[in-house]
Amino acid sequence: NAGVTQTPKFRVLKTGQSMTLLCAQDMNHEYMYWYRQDPGMGLRLIHYSVGEGTTAKGEVPDGYNVSRLKKQNFLLGLESAAPSQTSVYFCASTREAYYEQYFGPGTRLTVT
Amino acid sequence: RKEVEQDPGPFNVPEGATVAFNCTYSNSASQSFFWYRQDCRKEPKLLMSVYSSGNEDGRFTAQLNRASQYISLLIRDSKLSDSATYLCVGTLSGGYNKLIFGAGTRLAVHP
Repeated sequence: NAGVTQTPKFRVLKTGQSMTLLCAQDMNHEYMYWYRQDPGMGLRLIHYSVGEGTTAKGEVPDGYNVSRLKKQNFLLGLESAAPSQTSVYFCASTREAYYEQYFGPGTRLTVT
Repeated sequence: RKEVEQDPGPFNVPEGATVAFNCTYSNSASQSFFWYRQDCRKEPKLLMSVYSSGNEDGRFTAQLNRASQYISLLIRDSKLSDSATYLCVGTLSGGYNKLIFGAGTRLAVHP
């Protein structure tokens, strides 16, 4: 039982490049989330999904897109990376509202 | 004003000390509260949920005061392994379990 996994673990992009971060969970959770964590700011919600085929915006969605084609996977896309998107990205999942969220190990992204 | 505020620390304490963290939240509609622990360069992991009646798990005690809108975490008999950042977390209703994270309080326990 792997829990929540994220790929890649590290990535360096040049400004304007695109990439997709993959999150996978094997706990059959309905809810999945993408956060970014920056120093001194805590985790901020980018996008989330309440089930397969559904997505919605969080508090900092600009510059990102997401897709949830399969229940176990939640993809985060950066179409044109900017230095302001340098951050650590965490994916999380939970089975029901108000329950514990389980986090993946994170992706460290640097945009130069 | 941040929705969830914490003293960033760091709290530097010797082994065996008792340390307390407080956290305040601004939205009275917040439903549930948690303390997460985050080790350096790792993901957050749930330490404990926080209930109105207070709850204890070994050396850790969490309290919620809804009237004053604050949450506390008490760690007794600190261990070196307790060194980490502690995140205070609240939730908002809305059907999607939105977690509101504080920026975290760093604890460093020294010999």
